[in-house]
Amino acid sequence: GAVVSQHPSRVICKSGTSVKIECRSLDFQATTMFWYRQFPKQSLMLMATSNEGSKATYEQGVEKDKFLINHASLTLSTLTVTSAHPEDSSFYICSAGNRGTEAFFGQGTRLTVV
Amino acid sequence: EDQVTQSPEALRLQEGESSSLNCSYTVSGLRGLFWYRQDPGKGPEFLFTLYSAGEEKEKERLKATLTKKESFLHITAPKPEDSATYLCLTPDAGNNRKLIWGLGTSLAVNP
Repeated sequence: GAVVSQHPSRVICKSGTSVKIECRSLDFQATTMFWYRQFPKQSLMLMATSNEGSKATYEQGVEKDKFLINHASLTLSTLTVTSAHPEDSSFYICSAGNRGTEAFFGQGTRLTVV
Repeated sequence: EDQVTQSPEALRLQEGESSSLNCSYTVSGLRGLFWYRQDPGKGPEFLFTLYSAGEEKEKERLKATLTKKESFLHITAPKPEDSATYLCLTPDAGNNRKLIWGLGTSLAVNP
């Protein structure tokens, strides 16, 4: 099946710094990718829809200046958490292929802000 | 309001003890009911998609079924490696780019 690769799997950063997370579709072209955030024992929460060649669409309550999304090519989307704070610590997951068929998810990135 | 509800929230089984997980949905115009497995600290892994009532799909010890109101994930003779959180979800009827998620069933299989 299709593979979505997410990197890094874990990152620890200092408060105030920025962190970039990459999401790649390895064997198919993804015009749309999705970024989720998951808190412990909770369901995935959609943060934004990343559209190749255009601006991302953010869900209500998600700060677009805080969570910068760039979908530079058909196989790569990046999420940058800017000026990270401890409350941004979470599990971030990307997915691709969600057009009424199965979605493929990345392995997730555990972000810890200290 | 479109909704997906999973039960039980948690389930503990002995190895070999078969059981079923439930996913009930209230969605106008179902566009597929998806089952995923999620291991701790990892992204969800696709298992099945069901589209119409009466449809069934199997994979190893897992079998997913669908009715007009709910879906079941049957686990036959589970093994400890089947321990995970099982998630069901469906595309939002008004926006199929958006997914409606259940909260999952956390399954633990004891050896």
